[in-house]
Amino acid sequence: NAGVTQTPKFRVLKTGQSMTLLCAQDMNHEYMYWYRQDPGMGLRLIHYSVGEGTTAKGEVPDGYNVSRLKKQNFLLGLESAAPSQTSVYFCASSYGSGNTEAFFGQGTRLTVV
Amino acid sequence: GENVEQHPSTLSVQEGDSAVIKCTYSDSASNYFPWYKQELGKRPQLIIDIRSNVGEKKDQRIAVTLNKTAKHFSLHITETQPEDSAVYFCAASHSGGGADGLTFGKGTHLIIQP
Repeated sequence: NAGVTQTPKFRVLKTGQSMTLLCAQDMNHEYMYWYRQDPGMGLRLIHYSVGEGTTAKGEVPDGYNVSRLKKQNFLLGLESAAPSQTSVYFCASSYGSGNTEAFFGQGTRLTVV
Repeated sequence: GENVEQHPSTLSVQEGDSAVIKCTYSDSASNYFPWYKQELGKRPQLIIDIRSNVGEKKDQRIAVTLNKTAKHFSLHITETQPEDSAVYFCAASHSGGGADGLTFGKGTHLIIQP
């Protein structure tokens, strides 16, 4: 039981490049989330999904897209990376709605130069 | 949407003393209030949570209190130890139809002085 796994752990991108971050969970959770963490800003919700085939915008969705084609996977895409997207990205999943524990992945440190 | 304020941003206490971190929230519909601990370079991990039908919850040296009227909740750590040094985040959410995730405070860096 690996929990929540993110790929890759580190990445450096040039401005304008694209990439996809993969989140996989083996806990059969319905809900999945992508957060970004910046110094002094806490964790801010980018996009989330309440089940396979669904996605919704969070607090800071601009510049990102997501897909949930399979229940266990939640992909975060950057179509044209910008330096402002330099951050640590965390994926999380939870069994139920907003009042159940969220389990986090180990994070992806992304630098856009 | 929900807004969560957390204070202080940095807290330094002597080993063995108590530490208190405070949070306020804005959305009266919020009914779930977890606290996460994040060690340097690691993922956030849940240490304790409380639901709005409860005023206080305790787990060994950690306790959380909730005042729904004031929209205020706090984390209390007693008999602090070096391994308590970390960044602590409070969060709030409600189980509305959207399951729209947790809104986090900006974090408190707790430093335990030997």
